[in-house]
Amino acid sequence: EVQLVQSGAEVKKPGESLRISCKGSGYSFSTYWITWVRQMPGKGLEWMGRIDPSDSWIQYSLSFQGHVTLSADKSTNTAYMEWHSLKASDTAMYYCARHYGATSELDHWGQGTVVTVSS
Amino acid sequence: QSVLTQPPSASGTPGQRVTISCSGSSSNIRNNAVDWYQQLPGTAPKLLIYNNNQRPSGVPDRFSGSKSGTSASLAISGLRSEDETDYYCAAWDDSVNGWVFGGGTKLTVL
Repeated sequence: EVQLVQSGAEVKKPGESLRISCKGSGYSFSTYWITWVRQMPGKGLEWMGRIDPSDSWIQYSLSFQGHVTLSADKSTNTAYMEWHSLKASDTAMYYCARHYGATSELDHWGQGTVVTVSS
Repeated sequence: QSVLTQPPSASGTPGQRVTISCSGSSSNIRNNAVDWYQQLPGTAPKLLIYNNNQRPSGVPDRFSGSKSGTSASLAISGLRSEDETDYYCAAWDDSVNGWVFGGGTKLTVL
C-alpha cells in the first residue's frame, strides 16, 4: 500500500526554525516526485514546490522561493521542508504529495502537518 | 486570488446531477491536463479525476470530468449526502511554471 506519512504537529515562535518530513513507503520512492502544498486556515490549496528524490532537482513556486528549503533523502525514503525563520503567516496545514511525471497528477497525499507560529 | 476560477459554492438534492466549473487560460487549462481533488473535512485532498476525465481506481463512475478550451467541469451524478464537501481543480501552468489551483467549491447536498 502506498503511504506518505508526515511528521506531527508543530508549535513554534516567530523567528524559529523548523523542518517537517514526509516518509514514503509501498513504492519506489526515487521514481516519484514529491510536491508540497500549503493550506492556510479556511483557505484553498497553494503549490509550494517540488523535488525529484532521484537527483534532488528542485523547483520552487516564486511565492515561496527563498522562504522554504526542500530536500530529500532517498536512503530513508523521506522528503523534507525546512524554514529558517518562521513567521506568523506560516501558520497553516502543509501536505506532501507524490506524482509520477514532473507535471502529473498528485495521486497520493500525506495526512498533513499542521504548523502553528505564535508568540 | 486563485489563478483558476471556481464558484465558491454549489448545491443539489440527493439523486440530482450537479456540475462544478473551473475557468482558466491558455497557459494552464488549454495546454495542460486538468485534475480534480476532493477534500473531506479535516482530511487531506484525494485525487478524484486526472488528465481531464480519467478516474483513479476506486472512484465511482458517478464522478466525471470534461474540458473544453480554457474551461473544465466536474460532474457528479446521483448526488449522495457523502458528496457534501470541498472540490478543487488544478492544472500545470506554463507561465508560472508550477501548479495552479482553483479556489475550491463547497458542495452542499440539500
